[in-house]
Amino acid sequence: EAQVTQNPRYLITVTGKKLTVTCSQNMNHEYMSWYRQDPGLGLRQIYYSMNVEVTDKGDVPEGYKVSRKEKRNFPLILESPSPNQTSLYFCASSPWDRRNSPLHFGNGTRLTVT
Amino acid sequence: AQTVTQSQPEMSVQEAETVTLSCTYDTSESNYYLFWYKQPPSRQMILVIRQEAYKQQNATENRFSVNFQKAAKSFSLKISDSQLGDTAMYFCASTSRDTGNQFYFGTGTSLTVIP
Repeated sequence: EAQVTQNPRYLITVTGKKLTVTCSQNMNHEYMSWYRQDPGLGLRQIYYSMNVEVTDKGDVPEGYKVSRKEKRNFPLILESPSPNQTSLYFCASSPWDRRNSPLHFGNGTRLTVT
Repeated sequence: AQTVTQSQPEMSVQEAETVTLSCTYDTSESNYYLFWYKQPPSRQMILVIRQEAYKQQNATENRFSVNFQKAAKSFSLKISDSQLGDTAMYFCASTSRDTGNQFYFGTGTSLTVIP
């Protein structure tokens, strides 16, 4: 089944404890991206990647890191999480070669930082 | 950069009735794409419908259709014969391949279908 897989679904952590949210897609998509969803703010893009070893900042990159060593994986790293990073996170991918390609989303990760 | 505005935080509609969700966008680019996504309580993001800016014909997908007014930069979603399963948050989004590679989302409209 074609899908974007995010793990974990729920994560509770404490301030300053490094964490990684994994994202993997099995559709051979070039484009991958991370979003955070907050009430009243919609989805905001954190980072995106056009291909392996190519990453760019979105609108809210502060406090986050990403890497794209393989085409299928695009982990989101919070080196020192803070309470303002409590949010719902989505990973998404897209076959960028087709001009009207939509995003395919993972099921989201609910992160709570205390 | 592009901006997407959804001015209706919450809406409700009676089952079987028709409802229209509004979306406006702002872009200086000529080659862009617009989308509506649905997020039910399961929080999964589901593509509802898409529109290419260069196409004048409004997109339709079963009970879902759009009213794309390019000059007014408006992209509203019409849901006909509303069903209980349409209860969800709806997000309007835009992207462009000309400059940048970002997707921009509105703040969402929470739609409740009343039995």
